[in-house]
Amino acid sequence: AQSVAQPEDQVNVAEGNPLTVKCTYSVSGNPYLFWYVQYPNRGLQFLLKYITGDNLVKGSYGFEAEFNKSQTSFHLKKPSALVSDSALYFCAVRNFNKFYFGSGTKLNVKP
Amino acid sequence: SAVISQKPSRDICQRGTSLTIQCQVDSQVTMMFWYRQQPGQSLTLIATANQGSEATYESGFVIDKFPISRPNLTFSTLTVSNMSPEDSSIYLCSVEGLGLAGGVEQFFGPGTRLTVL
Repeated sequence: AQSVAQPEDQVNVAEGNPLTVKCTYSVSGNPYLFWYVQYPNRGLQFLLKYITGDNLVKGSYGFEAEFNKSQTSFHLKKPSALVSDSALYFCAVRNFNKFYFGSGTKLNVKP
Repeated sequence: SAVISQKPSRDICQRGTSLTIQCQVDSQVTMMFWYRQQPGQSLTLIATANQGSEATYESGFVIDKFPISRPNLTFSTLTVSNMSPEDSSIYLCSVEGLGLAGGVEQFFGPGTRLTVL
């Protein structure tokens, strides 16, 4: 069975500090991993994905994620957080055309 | 990329009534997906809608409660039938398409926020 876990309901970071939003996965076969962001009253927006290749994936708005096969993790990172990064972040795994989403992590970036 | 619009954007409905949500895509797509996002929770796939065949429902979702139409390759509807307050959620339409960075991505509509009184 496919599943995605986001162990933190909420992450609080000061503006300018690095941020990490954690994600672990369980999937049969090679994982296709994604990060999406949801701003208040808006739809989901694609941030980045890992299909194959370099374990460090760079995406939109300065975000990046590192695929770690041994730890089955795909943590989202950004070197310097902005207040405007405050939103709800979802990790997802794609398997046979279906997406399975994590529970979401609310990121709060304080000035 | 794919641009998806949904109607209505939000609605407040009475218990026992039904609401049909429309999803329009700006390009032809084979599969369309309907998700539910309950308050404070993640997205859950309701069903996959293919043009010309019956929708495929995920565990816990049935056609009588969530009938889906897929009359062509750019349009789908999801009906929430005999609504109860537990159906209060955001309902999102989604499609697969080629992303700007190459490869397949999942695109989401803005969602329909449903409140059932």
